[in-house]
Amino acid sequence: QITLKESGPTLVKPTQTLTLTCTFSGFSLNTAGVAVDWIRQPPGKALEWVAHIYWNDGKYYSPSLKSRLTITKDTAKNQVVLTMTNMDPDDTAIYFCAQSYWYVLGHWGQGMLVTVSS
Amino acid sequence: EIVLTQSPGTLSLSPGERATLSCRASQSVSSKLAWFQQKPGQAPRLLIHDATNRATGIPDRFSGSGSGTDFTLTISRLEPGDFAVYYCQQSAGSLSWTFGQGTKVEVK
Repeated sequence: QITLKESGPTLVKPTQTLTLTCTFSGFSLNTAGVAVDWIRQPPGKALEWVAHIYWNDGKYYSPSLKSRLTITKDTAKNQVVLTMTNMDPDDTAIYFCAQSYWYVLGHWGQGMLVTVSS
Repeated sequence: EIVLTQSPGTLSLSPGERATLSCRASQSVSSKLAWFQQKPGQAPRLLIHDATNRATGIPDRFSGSGSGTDFTLTISRLEPGDFAVYYCQQSAGSLSWTFGQGTKVEVK
């Protein structure tokens, strides 16, 4: 059974750096074809793909967010960490992590709301 | 970046009716197109991948078609649990993915 869970601060101040952790089970990030993705959703709005990291350590980012993002993996801990710098109130959203296998987003975490406010 | 445009924004239908949702890509994504269903307070659920393939456990009243730039999700007979928001998503290549803006299927 594949599970993913997001963790991190629920409230950050403008200009701060956000660090989110996705802890997963039921699969390995050493397996060919596997990736972990981050997707976000502002309240009442559409989904926005943010970043993904592949089994071979390939890392890709949304062009509009690329300068602010870093994604890393710790395969021993079954975790993926996303950092986003210079947070703004427009970054308030539910942040989901999800597993993809050969480019198919098949399993999602429950998501967590991150609010950016002073 | 590939832009996905979904239409209509809202679809008002009754249970038992057929729903047809459209997703158009700004450039070809071959068949690398997925559909997701999202209900309030829940994570999205994968319905269709690679344009036409139903995900595990998805009933056959959901079907996907299309390739290149034009795709359709059809729900043959709406059931009460099908009223939700539907998103298309492209994964053409490994680099940068995008979602459409969503279509809400609501009870008429």
